Amino acid sequence: EVQLVQSGAEVKKPGESLKISCKGSGYSFTSYWIGWVRQMPGKGLEWMGIIYPGDSDTRYSPSFQGQVIISADKSISTAYLRWSSLKASDTAMYYCARHVGAVAATRVDYWGQGTLVTVSS
Amino acid sequence: QSVLTQPPSVSGAPGQRVTISCTGSSSNIGAGYDVHWYQQLPGTAPKLLISGNSNRPSGVPDRFSGSKSGTSASLAITGLQAEDEADYYCQSYDSSLKVVFGGGTKLTVL
Repeated sequence: EVQLVQSGAEVKKPGESLKISCKGSGYSFTSYWIGWVRQMPGKGLEWMGIIYPGDSDTRYSPSFQGQVIISADKSISTAYLRWSSLKASDTAMYYCARHVGAVAATRVDYWGQGTLVTVSS
Repeated sequence: QSVLTQPPSVSGAPGQRVTISCTGSSSNIGAGYDVHWYQQLPGTAPKLLISGNSNRPSGVPDRFSGSKSGTSASLAITGLQAEDEADYYCQSYDSSLKVVFGGGTKLTVL
């Protein structure tokens, strides 16, 4: 059974750094793109970017390029999303998402349970 | 503002048919890229509902169907049930923005 298990909720202050994780199991972690999707409170889904753990090829949405870093450690089947300096506007639920299909036809077939990040002074 | 435009809300009575539109442009849907649909029940992660414009993943009832034409796509739900009340999102690929989602549509079952 494919599972994506994310790290727990975080409460941080503006300016702090943060790294959240997503551990994949039940499939070949290095053979699928895995990415992150943001959902701000009461808002829609926003695609942030993806990484191919097999070779660490990473693609970002222009909206998130330079704002976050996506990485993966294939030895432990885990993907990460990192911020170096959080802002209040980073408050949101973050979902990791396994992508399937060619990049131009890609869709998400499995989702993590979500990690709620709250940034407040 | 999302690259893919969806109506903010739709509603229907139990048993009725509703459709949700997803309008894009020549750099995404109109360029021939596939459209996928997701259902997000309150407080849960999204779930893939329709892939590749019109294909239902295993376990998705045949009350849900998808279509695509030109720069738009549609999700149709027939025999509306109370459990269908959720947010629905379309998703495609954009040649400059990469993967893009629609703004989402809230379905209310009256």
